[in-house]
Amino acid sequence: GAVVSQHPSWVICKSGTSVKIECRSLDFQATTMFWYRQFPKQSLMLMATSNEGSKATYEQGVEKDKFLINHASLTLSTLTVTSAHPEDSSFYICSAVGAGSYGYTFGSGTRLTVV
Amino acid sequence: AQKVTQAQTEISVVEKEDVTLDCVYETRDTTYYLFWYKQPPSGELVFLIRRNSFDEQNEISGRYSWNFQKSTSSFNFTITASQVVDSAVYFCALSLRKTSGTYKYIFGTGTRLKVLA
Repeated sequence: GAVVSQHPSWVICKSGTSVKIECRSLDFQATTMFWYRQFPKQSLMLMATSNEGSKATYEQGVEKDKFLINHASLTLSTLTVTSAHPEDSSFYICSAVGAGSYGYTFGSGTRLTVV
Repeated sequence: AQKVTQAQTEISVVEKEDVTLDCVYETRDTTYYLFWYKQPPSGELVFLIRRNSFDEQNEISGRYSWNFQKSTSSFNFTITASQVVDSAVYFCALSLRKTSGTYKYIFGTGTRLKVLA
């Protein structure tokens, strides 16, 4: 139980384009979803916290207009990297919390490469 | 300050050796959760254990064991008889409840474990 699906697992896009990453809770309702960014050989850094039906709360230093987060339902949150640049290349991973989920369950991550 | 420290950046052991991964945390909260995750090369985070601040009982799960000591703010992880498949980056994390009701999750910098055949 408590499975989180993240899609796509990897994406390559051209500089200036936008990329959408989906995070879904498959067997539980995720009241809260978290988005993290991980640079190579580094730890996970929390980007933002989203609660279903409300605006996301962004961590200091994370551009809201650059990383758009939508949590429209209890099972889906999306992260859109707008006007992507090579420095946005990173591993993005989401986690979800909800009634019945044990601890924090993570998606499998999305490796974004901007060329 | 709220912080998780994993002082060991990288550890190499030979298969069948025991290895302990250290984790030291800082928080003034009395209620918190501690986690260990495994991140293999594929990138996904595999949940290993969650421990709440009121439960100092050590836990064993197969070859894995955890030692939680509030007196030293440590939550160490031991792998007994390590195997090549244990090679991965291991993250310790601290979860704190925010005033908004959500949780803040703080990761350590990770320890890269290499188990050599």
